[in-house]
Amino acid sequence: QVQLQQSGAELVKPGSSVKISCKASGYTFTSYDMHWIKQQPGNGLEWIGWIYPGNGNTKYNQKFNGKATLTADKSSSTAYMQLSSLTSEDSAVYFCARDRGGFAYWGQGTLVTVSS
Amino acid sequence: DTVLTQSPALAVSPGERVSISCRASEGVNSYMHWYQQKPGQQPKLLIYKASNLASGVPARFSGSGSGTDFTLTIDPVEADDTATYFCQQSWNDPWTFGGGTKLELK
Repeated sequence: QVQLQQSGAELVKPGSSVKISCKASGYTFTSYDMHWIKQQPGNGLEWIGWIYPGNGNTKYNQKFNGKATLTADKSSSTAYMQLSSLTSEDSAVYFCARDRGGFAYWGQGTLVTVSS
Repeated sequence: DTVLTQSPALAVSPGERVSISCRASEGVNSYMHWYQQKPGQQPKLLIYKASNLASGVPARFSGSGSGTDFTLTIDPVEADDTATYFCQQSWNDPWTFGGGTKLELK
């Protein structure tokens, strides 16, 4: 069965960077886009972008250009998202999700807290 | 960006029928999807491409609409349906989500 296992919660300082991971199993990792979605506490959902692990192609929501960098490691079937120059506005739960015609599979979410 | 507008909250009694609306600021063809999210959990896909029931989702859930106006219907509502429901479009860049409709049971 398809599973997306995300890395654990992060507490990071303003101005720093963080890299979170999403390990995929149960399907051919290189054949499906991996998307990333942000959810701030009590708020709605924002689509950050996707990466196609088969060739490394990426597509970003323009709002997250320069903030998020998506990469993928085919050897370990793991997708990564690095967030840079962190501020309190980046404190959120971040999800990885698969499939274009509706996100049928989701990771459990990674809580990122930005605080000094 | 395509703005998706949902009513913030609804309250219904178990056994009733409820319709949750989502209006897009511009056309999204049929590329509208619906999710259910309970506190502390990831969203769960209910309906994809406006009217297709996702795998394992009870037939009590249905979706309709095209263009700019879409509806998620739950009939009959059960106690376990207490959750927030989000619509999401994947037709226009960037993909966007509605603000969510919190469904409460009376």
